[in-house]
Amino acid sequence: EDQVTQSPEALRLQEGESSSLNCSYTVSGLRGLFWYRQDPGKGPEFLFTLYSAGEEKEKERLKATLTKKESFLHITAPKPEDSATYLCAVQGDYKLSFGAGTTVTVRA
Amino acid sequence: SQTIHQWPATLVQPVGSPLSLECTVEGTSNPNLYWYRQAAGRGLQLLFYSIGIGQISSEVPQNLSASRPQDRQFILSSKKLLLSDSGFYLCAWMDSGDAFFGQGTRLTVV
Repeated sequence: EDQVTQSPEALRLQEGESSSLNCSYTVSGLRGLFWYRQDPGKGPEFLFTLYSAGEEKEKERLKATLTKKESFLHITAPKPEDSATYLCAVQGDYKLSFGAGTTVTVRA
Repeated sequence: SQTIHQWPATLVQPVGSPLSLECTVEGTSNPNLYWYRQAAGRGLQLLFYSIGIGQISSEVPQNLSASRPQDRQFILSSKKLLLSDSGFYLCAWMDSGDAFFGQGTRLTVV
């Protein structure tokens, strides 16, 4: 069974204080690793899909990296509007299995 | 461009009443479709997924069922709701490696 573990559960940052979120996974035949941002009461917003170890993708202050066992989401110089819950998911066959998420709070 | 529509946004239903939530996708063909439920402060639990018309896979035995009567339509149903069916229901579609979500339905069973 595919498993995804995200850490930490919560992260409080000062504006401009860079940090990283971790997503550890076990899956039989990774077809993709996904990162999403979710605001309260909203559906998850797609950020990235990574397919193979060594791959990196960037979007504004966010950068996602992938190894054979984990993925990191780096937040560089965060702003208050980056406050959200960040979800990680893996696709083994057709299913997407999600972690519990990391809730990031950025204080001005 | 592709879009996903999910409705209603909120729903309050009495225990024992039926349920029908609909999700439609535009701008793509033969997508993989998914229904998830998210309990308050928790991760997403996969309920059903479909790789084609009439093809439904169930992940968790429960009081719910799903159907895909058309290529881009996915319906979540229940004959009799339970209190434990309350939650945030999300529809998603996948095509060409990326997966996108609708805005969700907040269901409260009273």
